[in-house]
Amino acid sequence: SYVLTQPPSVSVAPGKTALITCGGNNIGTKSVHWYQQKAGQAPVLVIYYDSDRPSGIPERFSGSNSGNTATLTISRVEAGDEADYYCQVWDSSSDQGVFGGGTKLTVL
Amino acid sequence: QVQLQESGPGLVNPSETLSLTCTVSGGSVSSGSYHWSWIRQSPGKGLEWIGYIFYSGSTNYNPSLKSRVTISVDTSKSQFSLKLSSVTAADTAVYYCARARGGFYRHFDYWGQGTLVTVSS
Repeated sequence: SYVLTQPPSVSVAPGKTALITCGGNNIGTKSVHWYQQKAGQAPVLVIYYDSDRPSGIPERFSGSNSGNTATLTISRVEAGDEADYYCQVWDSSSDQGVFGGGTKLTVL
Repeated sequence: QVQLQESGPGLVNPSETLSLTCTVSGGSVSSGSYHWSWIRQSPGKGLEWIGYIFYSGSTNYNPSLKSRVTISVDTSKSQFSLKLSSVTAADTAVYYCARARGGFYRHFDYWGQGTLVTVSS
């Protein structure tokens, strides 16, 4: 089955830029989605189709995908961005959802 | 606005069957544009996709759970359900229902709030 690899943690100072990566074999050929999960809450979709933002998600959130790595970029990080972030793809060969292990974003 | 709400027992005995229902409001499980999934999260762990159902009744499950999982849909009640048999403590988790859209590039755009199910005697 398809495997997605994320760093367990990323730390960033307020106002700086956070980069959260998601690795997978030829992930650039897939469509990657990103979720934000704050403590005690359900996940929220923040990026879909690699780089599209749902309504209500700040422009500070952006995404890219190429080669073997997809990246979620959070610009001008705020304290409220502190959360776990998960990447996800749909493995069309097996018709299954696949999540990365998650990255805990800490705002210093 | 689409809303999903999980319901079911919060405590299940080991070896028994976990049963949860997701009620969808503000949208229809009969829509051919969406699939309906169950996803779980063990305490302190990441998200695990369990399986999905389409309004027609077609399903697919995570291979690691396939022998124990059944997902069904009741379009008349706008509900879909999860049954997980022969549960153990390892099945203790928050269970989420979610709507998936996107065809071959499916993503989960609406989620329920989640319900904690504890497996213990």
